Amino acid sequence: AQRVTQPEKLLSVFKGAPVELKCNYSYSGSPELFWYVQYSRQRLQLLLRHISRESIKGFTADLNKGETSFHLKKPFAQEEDSAMYYCALRPGSARQLTFGSGTQLTVLP
Amino acid sequence: DVKVTQSSRYLVKRTGEKVFLECVQDMDHENMFWYRQDPGLGLRLIYFSYDVKMKEKGDIPEGYSVSREKKERFSLILESASTNQTSMYLCASSSGAGELFFGEGSRLTVL
Repeated sequence: AQRVTQPEKLLSVFKGAPVELKCNYSYSGSPELFWYVQYSRQRLQLLLRHISRESIKGFTADLNKGETSFHLKKPFAQEEDSAMYYCALRPGSARQLTFGSGTQLTVLP
Repeated sequence: DVKVTQSSRYLVKRTGEKVFLECVQDMDHENMFWYRQDPGLGLRLIYFSYDVKMKEKGDIPEGYSVSREKKERFSLILESASTNQTSMYLCASSSGAGELFFGEGSRLTVL
């Protein structure tokens, strides 16, 4: 069975500092990886997916199949980036996603 | 703009009561999902459905059942609520292998 691990429950950085949210996965096939974000008092929403290979709100994530990782990075964090971030995996052609336990990011002024 | 609407934002129930959580989506999505969200555990899949009257168990189906009589509506049922089912419940929908769109969540407290 597949598994998604986010080792940091809480992460705090200062505004303007780089930020990296870690995500590791275990799955024997070719997965599709996602990052979802939940801002305070808002619904969970897609931030980015690895097949798009695009940068959203300054965030990027690269799928590293050798290390089975999909870390989320931003070079200069902003206070509005403070949120709960979830890494998620879709195994093969499945319809459902498996989520990690989430990382609460706080960007300090 | 996809809209997933969960009928109740907050519910308080007593142990043993039957609980219905309803979810409606307006984008003709074939897939619908129920997750529960708990601090430190993330989102865990309870049940999902890929068509009317079809359902599949997720990772934690025990104590729950679902109903999908119409394409736009997916209900989660707790036949006899227990305190360990106190949680935030999230409904989501998607088309094919696309993005999941989530509702605002239903916070259930079981006393």
